[in-house]
Amino acid sequence: NAGVTQTPKFQVLKTGQSMTLQCAQDMNHEYMSWYRQDPGMGLRLIHYSVGAGITDQGEVPNGYNVSRSTTEDFPLRLLSAAPSQTSVYFCASSLAGGREETQYFGPGTRLLVL
Amino acid sequence: EDQVTQSPEALRLQEGESSSLNCSYTVSGLRGLFWYRQDPGKGPEFLFTLYSAGEEKEKERLKATLTKKESFLHITAPKPEDSATYLCAVPPSTGTASKLTFGTGTRLQVTL
Repeated sequence: NAGVTQTPKFQVLKTGQSMTLQCAQDMNHEYMSWYRQDPGMGLRLIHYSVGAGITDQGEVPNGYNVSRSTTEDFPLRLLSAAPSQTSVYFCASSLAGGREETQYFGPGTRLLVL
Repeated sequence: EDQVTQSPEALRLQEGESSSLNCSYTVSGLRGLFWYRQDPGKGPEFLFTLYSAGEEKEKERLKATLTKKESFLHITAPKPEDSATYLCAVPPSTGTASKLTFGTGTRLQVTL
């Protein structure tokens, strides 16, 4: 199992450009989430999904869109990048229900918006 | 609103010098508390889940404990390879546990 994979590892954007951060998992996990990590702020939840076709907002959703057409993939879209979106982005996945909801994280995408 | 506070922000230990990291939490109903380790440039790596006060879990030189207000990560006789940032997180009292609230972490450096 590859676990949770993310691409690209690093990206530089200009203000106003759009891009999609890719996330995939091969563990057949129902739940998937996107977090951003900024110095001194900790990990903050952007969007999450409890299954294919179902998504919801987290703590900091503005400027980001998500969709979940398959169990395996959960892409994060930046519609018009802003310097405030410079951050490290992590995707995570977990099984659904009960106590087995430990989230497993991908390696991250480092994004710089100029 | 759920809150998680970790202390100290940074900790420097000599090899073999045991210590503890603290994670204080405020949540209306605790469903679990997660500990993660994060190496520079990597994603968080799961260590432990604690579900109720009094519970303890161990892994090599690490032992996590839980009370009704806080959790401790005890590091016994640390080695340089234990150097990392340690994060704790709690899920909301209701709804999916995918919505974790994280602390800002404790950056641990273990020197020879």
